[in-house]
Amino acid sequence: GENVEQHPSTLSVQEGDSAVIKCTYSDSASNYFPWYKQELGKRPQLIIDIRSNVGEKKDQRIAVTLNKTAKHFSLHITETQPEDSAVYFCAASSGNTPLVFGKGTRLSVIA
Amino acid sequence: DAGITQSPRHKVTETGTPVTLRCHQTENHRYMYWYRQDPGHGLRLIHYSYGVKDTDKGEVSDGYSVSRSKTEDFLLTLESATSSQTSVYFCATSEGQGFNQPQHFGDGTRLSIL
Repeated sequence: GENVEQHPSTLSVQEGDSAVIKCTYSDSASNYFPWYKQELGKRPQLIIDIRSNVGEKKDQRIAVTLNKTAKHFSLHITETQPEDSAVYFCAASSGNTPLVFGKGTRLSVIA
Repeated sequence: DAGITQSPRHKVTETGTPVTLRCHQTENHRYMYWYRQDPGHGLRLIHYSYGVKDTDKGEVSDGYSVSRSKTEDFLLTLESATSSQTSVYFCATSEGQGFNQPQHFGDGTRLSIL
């Protein structure tokens, strides 16, 4: 089955700097890659997703890139702000099996 | 999000007692999921449903059962709760014809087994 590895597990950045979180997946049939943000005590919320027919997708300060050959995808947050502090989860699915989540990255943005 | 309501939101119970958690959705989504979230483990899938009366096991299904008698309701049951089942439980839903669709999460149930 699918296995998703996420790195780093914790990340601290200065406000205004960029943050990058990387995930690798094992199943070459995976074609859907969402990212979720979870603030303390809250539910996970979808922030961006990408499908395998696209190499990059942007939404304001957030972007996701996908490298199908290397089987990895990354979340990029530019101009970080304190409200970006949260736990971020990546996930992958082929469509035939449920999403498999990475273990999460705790991002701290230091003002 | 997506009209998902989990109940109860908090529960404390004793080892060996049965526990049922309820997930109710108003979006008519076909797929429903139950996850548990523990520190260092992220979100782990317990069971999922792909239609009324259609369910399957996830990664950590031992000690749990589910039922879906209506599109809008997905129940998670711990037949005899153990302390290792202390966790935060999230329900999620997704629409469409496959698993490669966005999932929408409920607000979670914090369950403590003493």
